[in-house]
Amino acid sequence: GDSVTQTEGLVTLTEGLPVMLNCTYQSTYSPFLFWYVQHLNEAPKLLLKSFTDNKRPEHQGFHATLHKSSSSFHLQKSSAQLSDSALYYCALSDHPSSSFSKLVFGQGTSLSVVP
Amino acid sequence: EAAVTQSPRSKVAVTGGKVTLSCHQTNNHDYMYWYRQDTGHGLRLIHYSYVADSTEKGDIPDGYKASRPSQENFSLILELASLSQTAVYFCASTGQGGNERLFFGHGTKLSVL
Repeated sequence: GDSVTQTEGLVTLTEGLPVMLNCTYQSTYSPFLFWYVQHLNEAPKLLLKSFTDNKRPEHQGFHATLHKSSSSFHLQKSSAQLSDSALYYCALSDHPSSSFSKLVFGQGTSLSVVP
Repeated sequence: EAAVTQSPRSKVAVTGGKVTLSCHQTNNHDYMYWYRQDTGHGLRLIHYSYVADSTEKGDIPDGYKASRPSQENFSLILELASLSQTAVYFCASTGQGGNERLFFGHGTKLSVL
């Protein structure tokens, strides 16, 4: 079945350094990929969604590029901020051509940005 | 901003007892989902629904039932709560299925003792 792998459980960075969180996937289809972010004691919310036309989505300084050849959708930011500390989930839609599709989530990566 | 409200926000239950978690959305969304969050496992889908009076099994449905009595309400029922069901539970909704943005509730922290 479809799956999403986030290899890092915890990433600790110094403020100002670049961020890269890894996400790889396996899917029968050519899926939509998503990044959701969950700050402490808050609900998960959408950060980014892949485009069908290979454009690179960007939001709040974060961006991610869908590489179908390597089945990856890594999340990047040029300079980490303390407020970026949160739990990040990568997810894919299991039937992208259907409205009955469901999201499959990875294990999550906890990002901790320190001064 | 779409609103999804879960109740209760936290609950302590005894092993073998019945637990009902409730979810209410006011966004006119057809699709609703129940996820379980555990460290190291991420968010796993328990049950979901596309329309009122119908529910579907997700990836980890064992030990859980779901009920969708109306478009706005979606409940998760643990008939015989077990220690292994201690987790944080999230409800979510969307208007266009899994290809579009999910709106999550704030979660219910369930502790089974």
